[in-house]
Amino acid sequence: SQQGEEDPQALSIQEGENATMNCSYKTSINNLQWYRQNSGRGLVHLILIRSNEREKHSGRLRVTLDTSKKSSSLLITASRAADTASYFCATEHRGSTLGRLYFGRGTQLTVWP
Amino acid sequence: SQTIHQWPATLVQPVGSPLSLECTVEGTSNPNLYWYRQAAGRGLQLLFYSVGIGQISSEVPQNLSASRPQDRQFILSSKKLLLSDSGFYLCAWSSGFGGADTEAFFGQGTRLTVV
Repeated sequence: SQQGEEDPQALSIQEGENATMNCSYKTSINNLQWYRQNSGRGLVHLILIRSNEREKHSGRLRVTLDTSKKSSSLLITASRAADTASYFCATEHRGSTLGRLYFGRGTQLTVWP
Repeated sequence: SQTIHQWPATLVQPVGSPLSLECTVEGTSNPNLYWYRQAAGRGLQLLFYSVGIGQISSEVPQNLSASRPQDRQFILSSKKLLLSDSGFYLCAWSSGFGGADTEAFFGQGTRLTVV
């Protein structure tokens, strides 16, 4: 499969704790993106990290990328109940149609108040 | 600003009936357009993508077809629905001018139940 794979499949934490989700992929990429999906809704883009970048921040989000290990992590600091959602990584493969994304199966994050 | 509209939000159709889901994008031109399907608890499977009017690429063989009659309109169709066509269908667009490193913007999805 060319999809990314998120780990863990489900994560349950208390408000204020940090949440870390991981993503592994199998091929060379142009970039890796993280998306969020509230139950029954469309996906919302969170952050994009290019293949020549190692770390990126956006608000409470921190993304790392290790192309040698073909893996990425998404850290949400000081989580809130409103962060409860599914989180997906998606990769744009080098040599593939530009804009074509390969999605993983997602991590279901539950943040308890 | 750009917006994407997808309808209907939910749909219950009998087996063997036709299907037409519509997606339109506003505020941009020449977008790349995508139809995804998401099974319960699973990731997104790309069904079709289009880089221009009348240009459709299919990712997987299936009972569905797609058309792009206008620059910002993308339609997902079936002549006869199967039970296995049930799922959550998402339309998305990305910039056709951005080259690599462009994000995708998703519609709110259509929950299709074939009975």
